[in-house]
Amino acid sequence: QSALTQPASVSGSPGQSITISCSGTSRDVGGYNYVSWYQQHPGKAPKLMIYDVTNRPSGVSNRFSGSKSGKTASLTISGLQAEDEADYYCSSYTSRSNTVFGGGTKLTVL
Amino acid sequence: EVQVLESGGGLVQPGGSLRLSCAASGFTFSSYDMSWVRQAPGKGLEWVSGISGSGGSTFYAESVKGRFTISRDNSKSMVFLQMNSLRAEDTAIFYCAKSRVGCSGGSCSALDSWGQGTLVTVSS
Repeated sequence: QSALTQPASVSGSPGQSITISCSGTSRDVGGYNYVSWYQQHPGKAPKLMIYDVTNRPSGVSNRFSGSKSGKTASLTISGLQAEDEADYYCSSYTSRSNTVFGGGTKLTVL
Repeated sequence: EVQVLESGGGLVQPGGSLRLSCAASGFTFSSYDMSWVRQAPGKGLEWVSGISGSGGSTFYAESVKGRFTISRDNSKSMVFLQMNSLRAEDTAIFYCAKSRVGCSGGSCSALDSWGQGTLVTVSS
């Protein structure tokens, strides 16, 4: 199972919005509404930010939102804050009953 | 409070074996799927293996199939990863993670509680 495709890096200024894409195939992203997004700060464990494409776990800011079109999912962060600077990973359930992650995107807040 | 704590990492020679353990608390352990996810130094996340709440179903990434075995002991709220025939490319931090509350089927691929990880280094 190949990793999902994410941009290596994105950046934005405080207050702006950014979007991170996550491209897969019909056997993962395109075939199921089971895309998740994780935030990982350096030296820390990942944190679940979005599940089932659009849902936020309790306690996650509503500045984070998810969507999907075809085989590409997206994470949008609005009102960018310094604390949002981190690595972001998408993941998807697959037709093999496995999970596959994206390669990760480094978000820099300018 | 949900807690997940990994142990058992260390230095092992290529071809060797290691058994990772994950102790969980703060939730009804047998009701949740559990997964192992690894992260090589400076690299991204890689899902390794998953196990259903009952332990009756197990799943593996192609990269570890036939070498790694996941299991669980619901009476002790623990999950294990037996790793055999280890290779240099298995060097990574291994995280244990719990499927999110209220999930079913493929939705359980979302992991809402993670441990801090245990480092496995495969080197001669």
